[in-house]
Order: sequence, then structure tokens, then C-alpha cells
Amino acid sequence: EVQLVESGGGLVQPGGSLRLSCAASGFTVSSNYMSWVRQAPGKGLEWVSVIYSGGSTYYADSVKGRFTISRDNSKNTLYLQMNSLRAEDTAVYYCARAGPVVVVTAHPHWYFDLWGRGTLVTVSS
Amino acid sequence: DIQMTQSPSTLSASVGDRVTITCRASQSISSWLAWYQQKPGKAPKLLIYKASSLESGVPSRFSGSGSGTEFTLTISSLQPDDFATYYCQQYNSYPWAFGQGTKVEIK
Repeated sequence: EVQLVESGGGLVQPGGSLRLSCAASGFTVSSNYMSWVRQAPGKGLEWVSVIYSGGSTYYADSVKGRFTISRDNSKNTLYLQMNSLRAEDTAVYYCARAGPVVVVTAHPHWYFDLWGRGTLVTVSS
Repeated sequence: DIQMTQSPSTLSASVGDRVTITCRASQSISSWLAWYQQKPGKAPKLLIYKASSLESGVPSRFSGSGSGTEFTLTISSLQPDDFATYYCQQYNSYPWAFGQGTKVEIK
């Protein structure tokens, strides 16, 4: 079955760190663009980060310099290392796979075609 | 950054109604727009990509249209399973951005 399963969420104090994992099955993480999207309680969706199949990474300004996306090809798993956490980082974090990537004039275009069920991160003292 | 604005924020409708949700982009995004459905406590589900292409397995009562800055999601005959929150998302340029959501409620 093709699926994504996140883990690693929990309660952390402001300034603390947490690493989220996303285990994939039914497809190969390293062959796809993979992303993290978060949703604060009662709020909308916010894209966080992406890692390309080639290894390039991009981040939302709100997390740049604090979060790091990576993957372990041998474990077929995506990660999000979150440092210097703030109260406003409290959210459900989803990992998501990109659908077919279309490149137009060197710019990639892709949407999210597969989502995990999410893991809750709460930043509070 | 591109901003996405959906309207209305909440919509009350009955089973069988035709429902239309609008999404506007702050600048042209060509047809690089997707629509997702989210139910409480669940992950979003892809409905439409490239503004009007129906994802495999999604009922044909869902349709999308538009290009440039104005887009619509239409449900031709609302079914009980369709009461949910709907989000548009632009994938023209980083950072990818979502609309604030439209909650479809039972009238």
C-alpha cells in the first residue's frame, strides 16, 4: 500500500528541538520531491519545506535557518529537524509527496498528491 | 510572495445543491492551481490539479476552472460525504501558498 506515516511529534519547550520522521511505503522517497506542510490548531495549511529528488532543499521564510529537511534512502524515510522552536511552530505537521513534476523554463511546478496523517508538535512551557 | 484568497469562508448548503467556491491569486499563476478537501482530524486529499484536471478516483461531480488569477471549484450536486473544508493552493512559484479555506456546512 502506498502511504506515509509521520512520527516524532510531542510537547517541547520554547527554544527546544525535535526531529520528525515520515516513513514511506509503496514508493521510493529519493525518487520523488518530498515536502512538509503544517497546520496550526484551527488554522489553514502552510507549506514548510521541500527536498528534491536531486537533493536540493527549499524552505518557507518562517522556518529558514531553524528547520532542516533531509532523507535516509536506506530507510525510505523523510525527516524534519526543528531547532529553536517557538510557540508559533505549534501545529500538526504533515509530510506530503509531490505529484508529477513539470519543469517550465527551469521552474518546477508540482502539487501534493499523497499526504500522511500528520503528527502534532506543541511548543509550550 | 503570492497570496491566495478564497470566498466565501463558510458556505451553508443542502444535499443536492450546486456549490461554487472561488479562489483568487494576487498575481497570475497561469493554471498552476490545485484544490484539496480536508475533513476534521484528517489529512488533505487532492481533488483537482492544473486548475481543471480531476485526480484519479475523485467523483466527477467535482470540477475546476479558471486561469491567471481567478479560479473556481464546483460541486455539481452536493453529497453528504462532501461536507468538509476546501483549500486552493498555487504552485506557480515558491513559497507555495494555500487559501485560507472554505468550510462547506450542512444547511
